[in-house]
Amino acid sequence: GQQLNQSPQSMFIQEGEDVSMNCTSSSIFNTWLWYKQDPGEGPVLLIALYKAGELTSNGRLTAQFGITRKDSFLNISASIPSDVGIYFCAGHHDRGSTLGRLYFGRGTQLTVWP
Amino acid sequence: DTEVTQTPKHLVMGMTNKKSLKCEQHMGHRAMYWYKQKAKKPPELMFVYSYEKLSINESVPSRFSPECPNSSLLNLHLHALQPEDSALYLCASSPRQGDYGYTFGSGTRLTVV
Repeated sequence: GQQLNQSPQSMFIQEGEDVSMNCTSSSIFNTWLWYKQDPGEGPVLLIALYKAGELTSNGRLTAQFGITRKDSFLNISASIPSDVGIYFCAGHHDRGSTLGRLYFGRGTQLTVWP
Repeated sequence: DTEVTQTPKHLVMGMTNKKSLKCEQHMGHRAMYWYKQKAKKPPELMFVYSYEKLSINESVPSRFSPECPNSSLLNLHLHALQPEDSALYLCASSPRQGDYGYTFGSGTRLTVV
């Protein structure tokens, strides 16, 4: 399957700090998605990006769809303890034989110290 | 109702048992998905149903048998599983196959002993 390279693999930060993580792909996606997963729960969609160059915010979260359509980043500003969890990027094609498949990055485990 | 409900939340089964996982949504979504997730790994797609018909089978072993009896329900029948099948099984739905707007359930934590 298609590989998404997500980095960093883990982050340990102090409450109040900003966080940045990114994803790159060897192929082009039509949609980039960012999910957060808490222990014992399913992934929850944070931000969806549809267009190359698009910059979208959701509260303290900001994500961008790279202009090459092969990368995306997620920033979290002023982190708080409830930001703890695993963050996954995912790419999606909206046509062709891969329609309906999400390709996930390996995840970034975020730990926030009070 | 904006949720995908999965039952049971936890399941322990022996290698000779037959069990089923259930997934339900009432959002009118016509695409439903089964994913398998091992600890600290991303979800891996297993099956996609579109309008109650199997659309994608990611070469999943036949000991996993999906079923979509109606547009709101998705089952995963399990038989003769192996310990390496222990994982979190996630169900998801979206308005149609190809819509990115997945809603995931909380998953069933399966342990095969």
